[in-house]
Amino acid sequence: QVQLVQSGGEVKNPGASVKVSCKASGYAFTTYGITWVRQAPGQGLEWMGWISTYNGNTNYAQKFQGRVTMTTDTSTNTVYLDLRSLRSDDTAFYYCARGFTIGYDFGDYPYWGQGTLITVAS
Amino acid sequence: QSVLTQPPSASGTPGQRVTMSCSGSSSNIGSKTVNWYQHLPGAAPKLLIYSNTHRPSGVPDRFSGSKSGTSASLAISGLQSDDEADYYCAAWDDSLNCPVFGGGTKLTVL
Repeated sequence: QVQLVQSGGEVKNPGASVKVSCKASGYAFTTYGITWVRQAPGQGLEWMGWISTYNGNTNYAQKFQGRVTMTTDTSTNTVYLDLRSLRSDDTAFYYCARGFTIGYDFGDYPYWGQGTLITVAS
Repeated sequence: QSVLTQPPSASGTPGQRVTMSCSGSSSNIGSKTVNWYQHLPGAAPKLLIYSNTHRPSGVPDRFSGSKSGTSASLAISGLQSDDEADYYCAAWDDSLNCPVFGGGTKLTVL
């Protein structure tokens, strides 16, 4: 069965960087891209970006351009989210998700990681 | 401010049928398919409806989706106490070149 397992929660100081991992199993890894979605306390779901696990192509939300990098490691079936220059309003649960459609992100995600809480505080 | 507009709250009593709306524009709902998610505190979101009307395997047929023009709706029939959750719509947006979520509707089962 498809599983997405994320790394554990972290506490970071403002201005620091964080790297969250998402290890996939149960399907052909390079067939489907991985999307990252976050939810800040009291806020709604926010799409951050998508990476093709086939060729590493990315599509980032404009809000995060310049501050986010998504990478993929096909040797370990793992995708990484790197977020820099952290601020207090980056405190959120970060989720990785896999879509229905091969090679594309249409906002339809039947599979999700368990979520990773990133807390930004001094 | 979300690109897709959802009412912040909805409510119903057990057994009742409730609907919640999601309003967009020609660059998203008007030309693309809509997906719906249920989000319970402390859990990952769950896909309830994809491509406007389709239910993933395991989702009860109490949940149904529809779309007309630049708006979409999620209906829940036979409301149960464990349906109490936040519900989000999502769709691709051609102007932003990415998927967008609605702000969410908090459903309370009275």
